[in-house]
Amino acid sequence: AQSVAQPEDQVNVAEGNPLTVKCTYSVSGNPYLFWYVQYPNRGLQFLLKYITGDNLVKGSYGFEAEFNKSQTSFHLKKPSALVSDSALYFCAVKGYSSASKIIFGSGTRLSIRP
Amino acid sequence: GAVVSQHPSWVICKSGTSVKIECRSLDFQATTMFWYRQFPKQSLMLMATSNEGSKATYEQGVEKDKFLINHASLTLSTLTVTSAHPEDSSFYICSAKSSGQAGTGELFFGEGSRLTVL
Repeated sequence: AQSVAQPEDQVNVAEGNPLTVKCTYSVSGNPYLFWYVQYPNRGLQFLLKYITGDNLVKGSYGFEAEFNKSQTSFHLKKPSALVSDSALYFCAVKGYSSASKIIFGSGTRLSIRP
Repeated sequence: GAVVSQHPSWVICKSGTSVKIECRSLDFQATTMFWYRQFPKQSLMLMATSNEGSKATYEQGVEKDKFLINHASLTLSTLTVTSAHPEDSSFYICSAKSSGQAGTGELFFGEGSRLTVL
């Protein structure tokens, strides 16, 4: 069975500092990995995905994520945080099978202080 | 990117009434749509998978007679909460998978619908 874990409920970072939101996964075979962001009372917005190829994936709004197969991790990163980055972030995983469903992590609330 | 429109954004209804939420893919055809429910400060719970032209597949524990799903066209899926009760109050989110992206599995989400049952 596939699963995804976001070990931190909340991450607090000062504006301008680098940020990391952690994600680990478990899936049979090679994974599809995703990061989504959710603002209050809104749907989820796609940030980036890893399918294959380079382990470092660049996405929207200056975010990037690094796929680490040995550690089964897909941490979200940004070199310099903005107050506007404050939101709820979800990591998600899907198996290669077309029948495989996307499983979401529990979410991490990112708070950027001015 | 692909756009998914969800309507209404907010709905308040009396207990015992039924509420319909629409999910439309605006610029792509969605053979598969998903309905999620999100409780405060929690992750998304998949309720059902909606396939165009066939019956929806419900997740374990989700009442199919309570949450009616119809996917009559490649651009529209509807969720009807029948005989709503206060415990049905929640944030409902739909998502769609482009038929062209079936392999990568990327989902496009609607803006969500906040249902409050009085």
